[in-house]
Amino acid sequence: EPEVTQTPSHQVTQMGQEVILRCVPISNHLYFYWYRQILGQKVEFLVSFYNNEISEKSEIFDDQFSVERPDGSNFTLKIRSTKLEDSAMYFCATGTGWEKLFFGSGTQLSVL
Amino acid sequence: DQQVKQNSPSLSVQEGRISILNCDYTNSMFDYFLWYKKYPAEGPTFLISISSIKDKNEDGRFTVFLNKSAKHLSLHIVPSQPGDSAVYFCAASAWGRRRGGSNYKLTFGKGTLLTVNP
Repeated sequence: EPEVTQTPSHQVTQMGQEVILRCVPISNHLYFYWYRQILGQKVEFLVSFYNNEISEKSEIFDDQFSVERPDGSNFTLKIRSTKLEDSAMYFCATGTGWEKLFFGSGTQLSVL
Repeated sequence: DQQVKQNSPSLSVQEGRISILNCDYTNSMFDYFLWYKKYPAEGPTFLISISSIKDKNEDGRFTVFLNKSAKHLSLHIVPSQPGDSAVYFCAASAWGRRRGGSNYKLTFGKGTLLTVNP
């Protein structure tokens, strides 16, 4: 079965540093998402991206966050100045716009 | 604002018995429901789904039931196997009500940890 690939699997960074999380979507998918899960909490929607623009974002997705698809393949999430509370597992998900989403295995972000 | 609620954080069953995982929702706009399974250090994996036009969907050992009037759905696993031990997330979407096809998103519950004992 096709897979969503995320890199890195783990990222440790100092507070205030910028991080970029990368995702390679399934090739025929057009809808891209970032979700995150803080330890012990639910999986939370961050942002959806379609046709090279953000279609929806949550309250969590403030101006420290940005997404782009710079080369038509990778889909990235950038956090400009990380905070301790950004520590979480970040999941990329992609879909065809119908029914289910396919999730990557996640990037565990630890902000020290 | 918990639009999707899984009130049981954990469930333990014996191998071979039935596992029943429950989920409630509050948003009447939701019309498509999914169950995802998640192992540690992996992303959620799609298990089964149901549209609001149905009240039951079955796939092998997995059956999802939807009671729209009660805004409740459940996942039945029969028979349960040790390999089913994982966190199960209920998710919902307003699939038929999205604007322009571009803002389809899933709202997740907090998950239920299922442990199937040999």
